[in-house]
Amino acid sequence: QITLKESGPTLVKPTQTLTLTCTFSGFSLSTSGVGVGWIRQPPGKALEWLALIYWNDDKRYSPSLKSRLTITKDTSKNQVVLTMTNMDPVDTATYYCAHTVDYGEPFDYWGQGTLVTVSS
Amino acid sequence: EIVLTQSPGTLSLSPGERATLSCRASQSVSSSYLAWYQQKPGQAPRLLIYGASSRATGIPDRFSGSGSGTDFTLTISRLEPEDFAVYYCQQYGSPTWTFGQGTKVEIK
Repeated sequence: QITLKESGPTLVKPTQTLTLTCTFSGFSLSTSGVGVGWIRQPPGKALEWLALIYWNDDKRYSPSLKSRLTITKDTSKNQVVLTMTNMDPVDTATYYCAHTVDYGEPFDYWGQGTLVTVSS
Repeated sequence: EIVLTQSPGTLSLSPGERATLSCRASQSVSSSYLAWYQQKPGQAPRLLIYGASSRATGIPDRFSGSGSGTDFTLTISRLEPEDFAVYYCQQYGSPTWTFGQGTKVEIK
């Protein structure tokens, strides 16, 4: 079955760079159409779509955060990495990664999420 | 970027009642690429509806979606105790995806 799990620091300081890793199983990012995305949710607030990478290395970013985000994949390790630069306390959120089976399909499997707090 | 506006912000209903949630897009959603998710406290979102009206695997038939273009609706025909949660719409038809701000369905 498909599973995803996020990992990374729970606490980062303002101005630092956040690096999060999504490790997955049950599918391959070398399979045509497959994608993995990142979504975040500040405490008590709504979901915010951040980025998405497809099997063919097609990358999409939220326009409002594009300058700060980089998404990459390591197919051999079954991992997707998201980096976010210049972290600020407003970036405190639970960060989720999620799977999409193809272009024109939504996120059907989600990780459990990881809470990242930005504080000095 | 397509902005999704959900209404109402909170819906107070009793078990057994019908819930109607709205999602309005700032521009037409391509090919009805509109999904609905349910989220309970401390949990990741769960996909309910995709393609505006198709139920995801294992989703009870009391959940239904409708709409096209810029106006979409999620209907829960008879609320069960486990349906009280926050619901989000999401469009995935443009190169950059977006979520609505959510509707909380609470017990009256």
